[in-house]
Amino acid sequence: DTGVSQDPRHKITKRGQNVTFRCDPISEHNRLYWYRQTLGQGPEFLTYFQNEAQLEKSRLLSDRFSAERPKGSFSTLEIQRTEQGDSAMYLCASSHKNTGELFFGEGSRLTVL
Amino acid sequence: GQNIDQPTEMTATEGAIVQINCTYQTSGFNGLFWYQQHAGEAPTFLSYNVLDGLEEKGRFSSFLSRSKGYSYLLLKELQMKDSASYLCAVKGQNFVFGPGTRLSVLP
Repeated sequence: DTGVSQDPRHKITKRGQNVTFRCDPISEHNRLYWYRQTLGQGPEFLTYFQNEAQLEKSRLLSDRFSAERPKGSFSTLEIQRTEQGDSAMYLCASSHKNTGELFFGEGSRLTVL
Repeated sequence: GQNIDQPTEMTATEGAIVQINCTYQTSGFNGLFWYQQHAGEAPTFLSYNVLDGLEEKGRFSSFLSRSKGYSYLLLKELQMKDSASYLCAVKGQNFVFGPGTRLSVLP
């Protein structure tokens, strides 16, 4: 299967701990997006990369959030000093620059206790 | 900035037709996309429009009017499995999603 994969699928952590999520996009896709989604809401844009360059980061994103895509392939999203309000589904999606359609991974569900 | 609005919930009967509206304000526009999301699952792509007019894809059609900042998704011959959230997304510099419309299909 060459779809978008995310790891871990579920993460439970205590407030104040750091967590990291990984996303492996579809191999020929040069754009990679991170979203956060809470129950009953649409996906909220966090950041996106074109190849290894981080082109945009949401102003809603605090300094505790950081994302990387070091070699233009997989990406990581780290949340430092987690808070209960960070509990959400973190979705990764990739697309080819020319076609534009987003393909989503299954998401990483974070629960902060 | 970008602002996207959709109705929160809709209910329809199996076999009927339903239209889900989306209005948007955006500083850049490279297309409007519709996604379906079943509870607990990731969004999946349904349809997109770049130019004004109607795009038909089986039981699903999507319409766009760029001058009005308006789109709709039309679902025909509704089936129980169509019960899901429907997300409108605008592609500008990045992809911004609306709040989603939760559709319940009743027997």
